[in-house]
Amino acid sequence: DAKTTQPNSMESNEEEPVHLPCNHSTISGTDYIHWYRQLPSQGPEYVIHGLTSNVNNRMASLAIAEDRKSSTLILHRATLRDAAVYYCILRDVNFNKFYFGSGTKLNVKP
Amino acid sequence: GAGVSQSPRYKVAKRGQDVALRCDPISGHVSLFWYQQALGQGPEFLTYFQNEAQLDKSGLPSDRFFAERPEGSVSTLKIQRTQQEDSAVYLCASSLVAGGRTFFGQGTRLTVV
Repeated sequence: DAKTTQPNSMESNEEEPVHLPCNHSTISGTDYIHWYRQLPSQGPEYVIHGLTSNVNNRMASLAIAEDRKSSTLILHRATLRDAAVYYCILRDVNFNKFYFGSGTKLNVKP
Repeated sequence: GAGVSQSPRYKVAKRGQDVALRCDPISGHVSLFWYQQALGQGPEFLTYFQNEAQLDKSGLPSDRFFAERPEGSVSTLKIQRTQQEDSAVYLCASSLVAGGRTFFGQGTRLTVV
């Protein structure tokens, strides 16, 4: 199972951009990079995913390194509602289950 | 419903008691997953269904854990003779197709006393 490494916690100021890093040096060619976030007392919520190219959606952007061994989730303007645990997950295209790590707990200061 | 629904939201069980946790996936979703999340940890995979077929149960921690989805919609996770280490949040998730975007329920918090 390919593993990911994330910082345990990060802090950001409200309305500033946040860059959440993830290392996945053992990623295989068929692994998609997924990001989910989990607010307190909620189930994980989809944020974004990608394979090789950078991806943008209304929630965030995903920047994937050329060698695919790392990626960065970018929240363009953090709000207090973005305070959550962010999980970077590798998911093999041939399998369905997710392998969650411990995630990064993001604290957003007003 | 609009999302994945789990019941009960909270369950307190005495050690040795059997429990049953229910998951109502999003209507029409083929794939259904169960995850276990211990306090302060990320969710860990338990089992996976495609329609009524249980295709992967490699994450079930012991033979006290049993999951079913007899008609390919609602699923039940049963834990027999609960032990304190079973205390966790149990998350259900579903996706429309295999490998598709996955939606999680709010979970059932099980506390074994």
